[in-house]
Amino acid sequence: LAKTTQPVSMDSYEGQEVNITCSHNNIATNDYITWYQQFPSQGPRFIIQGYKTKVTNEVASLFIPADRKSSTLSLPRVSLSDTAVYYCLVALRGALTFGSGTRLQVQP
Amino acid sequence: GAVVSQHPSRVICKSGTSVKIECRSLDFQATTMFWYRQFPKQSLMLMATSNEGSKATYEQGVEKDKFLINHASLTLSTLTVTSAHPEDSSFYICSALPRGLDADTQYFGPGTRLTVL
Repeated sequence: LAKTTQPVSMDSYEGQEVNITCSHNNIATNDYITWYQQFPSQGPRFIIQGYKTKVTNEVASLFIPADRKSSTLSLPRVSLSDTAVYYCLVALRGALTFGSGTRLQVQP
Repeated sequence: GAVVSQHPSRVICKSGTSVKIECRSLDFQATTMFWYRQFPKQSLMLMATSNEGSKATYEQGVEKDKFLINHASLTLSTLTVTSAHPEDSSFYICSALPRGLDADTQYFGPGTRLTVL
């Protein structure tokens, strides 16, 4: 299972764009990159998934360089409710190995 | 779509009793379900992988006789914590992998908070 490395924590203010980068040097050819958000005492919530280049949905964008050894989750104009832990995972239809995640704190 | 439920959401039990937690995929079929455990301020730790109609695969260090997993249908998996002890108190989360070739996103349940007195 590919390991991922993310910053332990990040701070931001409301209205700012937040970019969280994840390193996954050992990603396998068929692995997808998936990001989840978790609030305290809740299960992780799917945010976005991609394989290469750029993916965008209604809540976030995911940037993946050509070598796929890293990925960046971009949250446009964060709000207080985006304060949570964000996990980056790589796998293909298999068990997910959760790293420590990035604890994002959004301040007013 | 892609909703996973867990029941109960929280349970308190006495030491030595058994507790069953249900995980259901409400609007899709899941050939594979996973069970995780999360202690306070820590990340999720995979306990076992459950495939419909077959025995679960347990991660190293997880006792299969203590954490009984049954995946009897494509929409239901159960985790039974047998002879629970206070150290089993944790947040248990399941996830489901939708059936189908294009399905490679796991969807998580809301979690079950187990407190063993």
